[in-house]
Parts: sequence; C-alpha cells; structure tokens
Amino acid sequence: AQRVTQPEKLLSVFKGAPVELKCNYSYSGSPELFWYVQYSRQRLQLLLRHISRESIKGFTADLNKGETSFHLKKPFAQEEDSAMYYCALSPSYGKLTFGQGTILTVHP
Amino acid sequence: SAVISQKPSRDICQRGTSLTIQCQVDSQVTMMFWYRQQPGQSLTLIATANQGSEATYESGFVIDKFPISRPNLTFSTLTVSNLSPEDSSIYLCSVEKLGVTYGYTFGSGTRLTVV
Repeated sequence: AQRVTQPEKLLSVFKGAPVELKCNYSYSGSPELFWYVQYSRQRLQLLLRHISRESIKGFTADLNKGETSFHLKKPFAQEEDSAMYYCALSPSYGKLTFGQGTILTVHP
Repeated sequence: SAVISQKPSRDICQRGTSLTIQCQVDSQVTMMFWYRQQPGQSLTLIATANQGSEATYESGFVIDKFPISRPNLTFSTLTVSNLSPEDSSIYLCSVEKLGVTYGYTFGSGTRLTVV
C-alpha cells in the first residue's frame, strides 16, 4: 500500500529565510506526486505536480526516487506563504493519497 | 481549470438523519471523487464516482453509508446516511480532466456537524 509521510506538523520561519517542507513516500512503482496548498478560508488548490517540473510562486520540488522524497522548497519565504501544505501521491489514475499536512507560518 | 460548485457549504444535522452533498462542475470531466477530512486529519478518499455505473469505494467505506450518484459528466452527489457524531467532517469533491495538466481540482468542501 502507498503511504505519504510529512514529518513536520508545524514549521515556522522568518520572512526571507529559506523553507523546506519534507515529504517522503512509499510505493513500489512510479508514482505521480503533488503538492497542494490551502490558504486560510480558501479551498485546497494544486501547487505543483512533479511531472510538470515547474516553479509556482517561487516553490520547487524535486522527486528523488532513491530517497523516495519530494520535498518542497522556496529560497526566500514570504508572509503570504503561510498556509497548510499537503503532499499527495497518485499510484494510479485518480486516486490521491495525502500526507498529514504541514502548517507553515512565516513570521514578519 | 474546472470550476466546482459544492453545496451546501456547511450543515448541522441530527443524528440518524442523512445529508446529501452536491458537486457541480462547469465542464465535462472524466473522473470525480469524494474525500473526507475528519477533524485534525488529512484527506481520505471515500470513493470514485463513475458515470452511469456504481461508484468504486475504498476500503472502509460502503455504499449503504455513502451512496453516490453520478448521472452525467458534470454532476455528482454524495449522501452520508444514518448520521452519527463520528461523521462530523469536511467532505470534498474533486475532479480530474483527461488531457489537462493542471491536476486534480477540489471543491470548497462541506462542513458537516452531527449533533
């Protein structure tokens, strides 16, 4: 069975500092990986998917198959980045398995 | 990306009753899903809503408790039956559109409180 682990429930950084939200997964095949973000009082929205290899709002995430990780990084955090972040895995079409989520707080 | 309208946004229900949640999409989508987010927990997939056939349920979820309809490619309903306080959760609809690279889109959720 697939599993997604986000080891940090809470993460606090200061504005301008680098931030890394960790995500590890377990799955025997080649999964599709995502990062979702939920800002206060807003719906869950897609931030990144590894297949796109793009940078959104300054965030990037690299799939490391050797370490089975998909950490989310941003070199300079902004206050508006404060939100709940979920890492998710799709082993087959459509079925997302979510991690427990990390609440990121960026202090001024 | 697809725009999802999910109703109601919240409700307070008596135990033993049922609540039906609607998910309307502004365009035809291939896949529609229902998730549950219990208090303080992550999202868990309940079932995949299949157009024209019975939904596909995940382990731990059964049709009698969570009947699902999907009469066409833009609409689905989830009913939570015989409510108990343990059913108090946020229920979310999600869709995926084949051939589009934006990934899965989520509705705003329905916050259910059972009293």
